[in-house]
Amino acid sequence: GQQVMQIPQYQHVQEGEDFTTYCNSSTTLSNIQWYKQRPGGHPVFLIQLVKSGEVKKQKRLTFQFGEAKKNSSLHITATQTTDVGTYFCAGPRAGGTSYGKLTFGQGTILTVHP
Amino acid sequence: EAGVAQSPRYKIIEKRQSVAFWCNPISGHATLYWYQQILGQGPKLLIQFQNNGVVDDSQLPKDRFSAERLKGVDSTLKIQPAKLEDSAVYLCASAETHDYTDTQYFGPGTRLTVL
Repeated sequence: GQQVMQIPQYQHVQEGEDFTTYCNSSTTLSNIQWYKQRPGGHPVFLIQLVKSGEVKKQKRLTFQFGEAKKNSSLHITATQTTDVGTYFCAGPRAGGTSYGKLTFGQGTILTVHP
Repeated sequence: EAGVAQSPRYKIIEKRQSVAFWCNPISGHATLYWYQQILGQGPKLLIQFQNNGVVDDSQLPKDRFSAERLKGVDSTLKIQPAKLEDSAVYLCASAETHDYTDTQYFGPGTRLTVL
């Protein structure tokens, strides 16, 4: 079945440092979605990328979707303590009848030291 | 706009007991999902409803798990009997349609502990 892997599993940074998490799928994706889950909270949708090679920015966050639509990355510039949480990528498998069925990666846990 | 509501927020039971979770999606959302999130892992889809019909339940352990969405609005997920490995957070999410580009909105989840 489809597998989505994320690295690293954990990342500890000092406030102000940059952070990047990488997402790789075993199959081509229709799109890639990123979610953030604060400690004790629930996943909150951040962004969706659909096109091959697409790059989107949200303030200090930059999201990329690979040319082959099998990988993605999230980069945070100058982290802040409010960035703490687990970042998940998720995507529906391209083709077939997967509809909105998302396969989530295991997440990258980000801690930011002030 | 009200978000996805779930209850209870926490539940502790002993193994072999039964438990039920309730979810009320965002008003007007046709698609409802139940996910299981084990500590340290990403959410895993258990079942997907489109209105009151099941779209995908391929990862639902049907020998012990059941779910329904009788009137196409709120939904219940039941576990009977529970096992230790069922300890997890059960998340409900909803979306306007089942299109793969639709944003899924998650509820706060129910944290289940099986002793």
